[in-house]
Amino acid sequence: KNEVEQSPQNLTAQEGEFITINCSYSVGISALHWLQQHPGGGIVSLFMLSSGKKKHGRLIATINIQEKHSSLHITASHPRDSAVYICAVTQLSGGTASKLTFGTGTRLQVTL
Amino acid sequence: DAGVIQSPRHEVTEMGQEVTLRCKPISGHNSLFWYRQTMMRGLELLIYFNNNVPIDDSGMPEDRFSAKMPNASFSTLKIQPSEPRDSAVYFCASSFRASGPWDTQYFGPGTRLTVL
Repeated sequence: KNEVEQSPQNLTAQEGEFITINCSYSVGISALHWLQQHPGGGIVSLFMLSSGKKKHGRLIATINIQEKHSSLHITASHPRDSAVYICAVTQLSGGTASKLTFGTGTRLQVTL
Repeated sequence: DAGVIQSPRHEVTEMGQEVTLRCKPISGHNSLFWYRQTMMRGLELLIYFNNNVPIDDSGMPEDRFSAKMPNASFSTLKIQPSEPRDSAVYFCASSFRASGPWDTQYFGPGTRLTVL
């Protein structure tokens, strides 16, 4: 079992739909990251969070530390949101943040 | 701002050759990360530096891989000798470590390495 699991692996949505991507982890963490990788390969860091919720434009990220779960929401989805979304966690080791572990990504396709 | 700069963008080499990948982090950033991405294994952290000092190199696959950061504005990842299984996209990222080593990271465009 991977330490970071994402669901779904693939997601197709129509423009305007509300989208949710989930991330579950099984290790102690100090922070969780959401990354976006565009079809051209470029990677953009969307959020880093350790509690609660963060919002940036149409993107919202939440984390529940007790349940070891995070969600990334996209409101009013648009074809330009089509990308691979990657969840990553910073693991705790001896009380200090160390290893960064990635999920396998969720491939999102938003159609007109 | 120029962002994180990586060179070359593409590299094709033959097995056994030495490969050097280069990275220039964003000015003012004090943490630098090298990642590798393959279809089979996804994204993996290879090594990261803080204030030019290697902090965690546990992700470096084997002795054929080495990384240096001689100053705050330059880092190299070297593979010697290269093997076909090293074929991947190598990303460099930088961040400003304020409260922790994993503040928001800014990724370079990546170097696509093909080892024949």
